[in-house]
Amino acid sequence: QQPVQSPQAVILREGEDAVINCSSSKALYSVHWYRQKHGEAPVFLMILLKGGEQKGHDKISASFNEKKQQSSLYLTASQLSYSGTYFCGSEGAGGTSYGKLTFGQGTILTVHP
Amino acid sequence: DTGVSQNPRHKITKRGQNVTFRCDPISEHNRLYWYRQTLGQGPEFLTYFQNEAQLEKSRLLSDRFSAERPKGSFSTLEIQRTEQGDSAMYLCASRTTGSGTEAFFGQGTRLTVV
Repeated sequence: QQPVQSPQAVILREGEDAVINCSSSKALYSVHWYRQKHGEAPVFLMILLKGGEQKGHDKISASFNEKKQQSSLYLTASQLSYSGTYFCGSEGAGGTSYGKLTFGQGTILTVHP
Repeated sequence: DTGVSQNPRHKITKRGQNVTFRCDPISEHNRLYWYRQTLGQGPEFLTYFQNEAQLEKSRLLSDRFSAERPKGSFSTLEIQRTEQGDSAMYLCASRTTGSGTEAFFGQGTRLTVV
């Protein structure tokens, strides 16, 4: 089963913050976050392993709650370049699910000046 | 490291024809994935390989779809008797084995079935 993302779309003004959520019904080994701009391939942002760690990259950070099988992506002080579709990818924790990477339906983020 | 390469970038075919796409992963990557993406949707998992072994194929995938990865290097995805519903972007991604490894995507092959 693919992970479920919310919200489906977010509209921001430059400098505002946003949170994108990702949840799974299955036990997860890792969560991956990607951003895709129109007509381009998805680009890796960060990966989180089970253990509840939080990672950050510039003004974009993420958390992973293993028990709840949820991850959140935090975008602070948004910039125009943050616009795009954000996908979370989940990697299962056991059996053939380990190594299998499935993606959510995406969250469209639009940042206006 | 030249990245993941997919060919062709675009393919237009008539309904009922067979098509084959190729993916060349990053050389040291032993995991390779195929996805299908339609407008406004996330990448839909099709299948994945570890070296030459196909570990899983989506149950949503009809028997018209087949993928191979001979010798654990490049991979091909074939669609037989194409239908208009097969029109989509087909993405390939690769990664190394191990915990916490990122997947790198190719630019994709856009298939249009007319």
